[in-house]
Amino acid sequence: SQQGEEDPQALSIQEGENATMNCSYKTSINNLQWYRQNSGRGLVHLILIRSNEREKHSGRLRVTLDTSKKSSSLLITASRAADTASYFCATVNTGGFKTIFGAGTRLFVKA
Amino acid sequence: DTEVTQTPKHLVMGMTNKKSLKCEQHMGHRAMYWYKQKAKKPPELMFVYSYEKLSINESVPSRFSPECPNSSLLNLHLHALQPEDSALYLCASSQGLAGIEQFFGPGTRLTVL
Repeated sequence: SQQGEEDPQALSIQEGENATMNCSYKTSINNLQWYRQNSGRGLVHLILIRSNEREKHSGRLRVTLDTSKKSSSLLITASRAADTASYFCATVNTGGFKTIFGAGTRLFVKA
Repeated sequence: DTEVTQTPKHLVMGMTNKKSLKCEQHMGHRAMYWYKQKAKKPPELMFVYSYEKLSINESVPSRFSPECPNSSLLNLHLHALQPEDSALYLCASSQGLAGIEQFFGPGTRLTVL
């Protein structure tokens, strides 16, 4: 069963623009992660935000977490064509090892 | 070496065949995972191994049989699969046991005829 829901499902922007993707989840979590997947390839871990953090930055990535709303957002600034990929949020249930991925956002960055 | 390798890259098999998928990592990670991913869908967890022992089986049909021969290797044995089992099978590993910062292999694209 899927815990995380993401919107938008697909996003098309021009190079240089910012891209924002949102994720919602249902259960209590210790942390939330974001992964990127290029077409038909393995996933790459991007960033992790812990439940006691509200915002985290890594290079052109900015992640926010609102545990009261059970939601997170990923902002990619100054997007590049190479950012074209699917982006998934992932949560692990509190006290467990089960990773659940959100439905994902497919990002297209046009050069 | 920060890579997870998977073989084969592509596999086509009939419903009566027996085949195996292989996954290998040399990062000393203590947890290893199998995921199934259908087109345009997120990965779905199948199995988790912690310290070479099966810790999670997400109610996967018995036609999928995982095996962890040692801390670096993870196999997925396939038998009597159905066409709906066609998917991308991803292996991952992580240092910790809590599913944090998983390293993924490139996957095996499986087609069941």
